[in-house]
Amino acid sequence: GAGVSQSPRYKVAKRGQDVALRCDPISGHVSLFWYQQALGQGPEFLTYFQNEAQLDKSGLPSDRFFAERPEGSVSTLKIQRTQQEDSAVYLCASSLDGRSYQPQHFGDGTRLSIL
Amino acid sequence: GQQVMQIPQYQHVQEGEDFTTYCNSSTTLSNIQWYKQRPGGHPVFLIQLVKSGEVKKQKRLTFQFGEAKKNSSLHITATQTTDVGTYFCRGSGNTGKLIFGQGTTLQVKP
Repeated sequence: GAGVSQSPRYKVAKRGQDVALRCDPISGHVSLFWYQQALGQGPEFLTYFQNEAQLDKSGLPSDRFFAERPEGSVSTLKIQRTQQEDSAVYLCASSLDGRSYQPQHFGDGTRLSIL
Repeated sequence: GQQVMQIPQYQHVQEGEDFTTYCNSSTTLSNIQWYKQRPGGHPVFLIQLVKSGEVKKQKRLTFQFGEAKKNSSLHITATQTTDVGTYFCRGSGNTGKLIFGQGTTLQVKP
C-alpha cells in the first residue's frame, strides 16, 4: 500500500487480557518505530527496529510490552496482562532508513481501551 | 535525560490572526522536524531544519531553527480554519534519540 497501515483501528479489551497490534510499514522502509500517545500529549517513543533488529526498546514501559518484526517488514506490538493505564493510541511510523533526518510516516494508529 | 519542551499547550485564535509555537531542547539538536496532527488523524511530516539559524517557509508557515540549535519555532501568518490541529516538533539529539514535544493544539474561530 501507499502508506503505513495499522490494525485494528480500535481495540477494546478487559483488564488482564493480552492484545496484539499490527503495523504494515511502507514497502522498502528499513526503519520502524512504535509510539504511545496519550490524550493531549505528544507521541512517546516505545521501540525502534532497523530491518528485523530491535535496536532500541528503552521506551517500553514494562516487561508486559513486547515488539517484534521477524522478517523486517510487518511488526507486532504485544501487550500482556493489560492494565487501564495502557489505554492510549499506539502509533507506528516507518522511515526510509534509520538516519534521524529522514521524515517519519505514521499510520492512523490503534486506539486501545482497557476496561 | 534529553527533553523537548513545547509551548504553549493550547492556543485559540480568531481566523486571520497569527500563531506561533515554540520548541526548546535541553541539549543541542542535530536536526528538528515539525509535524501536524489533525483531530482524529496521525502526525504528518511538514518540514525539517538542520542548519543553525535556518529559516524555511511554506506558504503562510515560517519555521526557524535557533543559532544554538536548541530551539525552534513555527509561525503561521493569517490563520485559516484549515490550520486547526496539533503541531509537534521532533528533535534529534547527538545520541540519535528522537524526542517529540508535547504539542501545541491550535483552535481557529471563524
